[in-house]
Amino acid sequence: EVQLVESGGGLVKPGGSLRLSCAASGFTFSRYSMNWVRQAPGKGLEWVSSISISSNSIYYADSVKGRFTISRDNARNSLYLQMNSLRAEDTAVYYCAREDSSLAGTRYLDLWGRGNLVTVSS
Amino acid sequence: QSVLTQPPSVSEAPRQRVTISCSGSSSNIGNNAVNWYQQLPGKAPKLLIYYDDLLPSGISDRFSGSKSGTSASLAISGLQSEDEANYYCATWDDSLNAWVFGGGTILTVL
Repeated sequence: EVQLVESGGGLVKPGGSLRLSCAASGFTFSRYSMNWVRQAPGKGLEWVSSISISSNSIYYADSVKGRFTISRDNARNSLYLQMNSLRAEDTAVYYCAREDSSLAGTRYLDLWGRGNLVTVSS
Repeated sequence: QSVLTQPPSVSEAPRQRVTISCSGSSSNIGNNAVNWYQQLPGKAPKLLIYYDDLLPSGISDRFSGSKSGTSASLAISGLQSEDEANYYCATWDDSLNAWVFGGGTILTVL
């Protein structure tokens, strides 16, 4: 089955750290760029970070730049998000999403995990 | 404040047609394809439309997309109660080097 499964979320105190993982299965992980997208409770979708196939292109939203680090291990079919200096406003469901750019002239996030809740609270 | 602008909510009766707008700028919609997502309560977003007007496999043809300049639209015809959800537009922004989303539009089928 083609799927993405996030793990590693939970409750953490402000200023703390957490590492999210996303396990991919059912497709060739190394052929796709990957992304993290989050959704605060009752709010809309907010893109967090992107990583290219070979990790040579990495982008971050301004809201997490300098605090979060995205990485991937193609041998393990896994995506990661290291989150440091966490703030209350980082509380959200974090989704990993596959990016398909195989069709010339476009790119889209076509496969999403179920999400993993991160709560930052004292 | 989202980079892409959507109406917060729309509503229409069953079997009718509704459209949801998405407004951006030259660095995002004006230069890149638009995608639409449907998010049911408590669920992950699902790709509904990609490359402005293409339907992924398994998506009903009651859904359609269009784009003109720096704006895009999602149309849903033959509304059904199961269409009640939050709908998001999204595209890549060349200036921000980021994926940008609309704020989401809640569809209510009266």
